[in-house]
Amino acid sequence: DSGVTQTPKHLITATGQRVTLRCSPRSGDLSVYWYQQSLDQGLQFLIQYYNGEERAKGNILERFSAQQFPDLHSELNLSSLELGDSALYFCASSVAPRGETQYFGPGTRLLVL
Amino acid sequence: DAKTTQPTSMDCAEGRAANLPCNHSTISGNEYVYWYRQIHSQGPQYIIHGLKNNETNEMASLIITEDRKSSTLILPHATLRDTAVYYCIVRVGTGGTSYGKLTFGQGTILTVHP
Repeated sequence: DSGVTQTPKHLITATGQRVTLRCSPRSGDLSVYWYQQSLDQGLQFLIQYYNGEERAKGNILERFSAQQFPDLHSELNLSSLELGDSALYFCASSVAPRGETQYFGPGTRLLVL
Repeated sequence: DAKTTQPTSMDCAEGRAANLPCNHSTISGNEYVYWYRQIHSQGPQYIIHGLKNNETNEMASLIITEDRKSSTLILPHATLRDTAVYYCIVRVGTGGTSYGKLTFGQGTILTVHP
């Protein structure tokens, strides 16, 4: 158990819909990262927040957005969902913004039908 | 971040040492070598990292060549639970302005056999 929690574990929805994935970092960690893992793209970095502020952006689609709240939990919002958005979404956390050691949550499996 | 090359797959007998190689010939002086693993769709798990000296922790040992162009992750006594995809990642550590992004390649699928 990494100490990072993610909800929900599974999510099934239809194309065009919007979903929100939630992540609670390890106690004391200020930085949160979001990654997407699909069969054809592998593990890809989406975005990073540190203490409420966006710090780095990867290949995140404009339909996706994220935020980190004052209690340090983070949410990843996915809208106008497409079939290709079906993937595992992982959240990770670290103490420092440069993320030398990142601790990953169990992931949310999203299926878009 | 420097690109890494790993074998696609490897096998190991249970109880034997598993030696996973990684080539990173374009590594820069301030870049660290990190190893993570992912057990069947679980979240990736940090294993170990190093700059130029060999490192050991409770999970594994990391051997980095003197020219730093390659490294080997060693699991000293592999068990069936070590079956996973192992990722070698090279990135700037505490120095520089790079932030926390980890760039995962395809990794090595390690299968431990009874």
